Amino acid sequence: QVQLQESGPGLVKPSETLSLTCTVSGGSIGTFYWNWIRQPPGKGLEWVGYIYYTGSTSYNPSLKSRVTTSVDTSKNQVSLKLSSVTAADTAVYYCARELSNSDAFDIWGQGTMVTVSS
Amino acid sequence: QSALTQPPSASGSPGQSVTISCTGTSSDVGVYNYVSWYQQHPGKAPKLLIYEVTKRPSGVPDRFSGSKSGNTASLTVSGLQADDEADYYCSSYAGSNNLVFGGGTKLTVL
Repeated sequence: QVQLQESGPGLVKPSETLSLTCTVSGGSIGTFYWNWIRQPPGKGLEWVGYIYYTGSTSYNPSLKSRVTTSVDTSKNQVSLKLSSVTAADTAVYYCARELSNSDAFDIWGQGTMVTVSS
Repeated sequence: QSALTQPPSASGSPGQSVTISCTGTSSDVGVYNYVSWYQQHPGKAPKLLIYEVTKRPSGVPDRFSGSKSGNTASLTVSGLQADDEADYYCSSYAGSNNLVFGGGTKLTVL
């Protein structure tokens, strides 16, 4: 079955860029929307944005100026970059697959904790 | 876009039913039938319970059901079990390729 695995540095300095990768195994990255969702410690979920396998994207308006996503179909990977991070960006970051055209996420990675601190 | 409004907590005894509300606006829940519900146990990733207001993914028990009226969506958990104790989140499509989550509800099984 399809599995997602997030990876990347667990500690990022303020003002620097957070970079994460989500590797998709057990299935193709094609024909799906791949989303990033984050959850600050003890708080709720926040949608960050998505990338379609073709490369089209959409981002949360509150993060849009700082977010970039990319897709590498040859490696079955999607990536997230969040620039100019502050302590408010400290969170568990999840990648998740969207169930076809439903705006619902049926497969999630285990999540990766990213702490912004000097 | 603002977060959807959920009650911070809900509770029920084993075997009982509990309903969790998710209130949005005429720009999200009220106009789109793309409301989803997720269950999250501590330290785990969320699990999809309901999508498109009422649909259940394969493997989700029919004890979980969803509905919507106006700007408010609801998740009902029937026949409460100890393992249902978790955080529950709703989400809705909010137009312009955006999505918004609720603040979450902590369900306690008494």
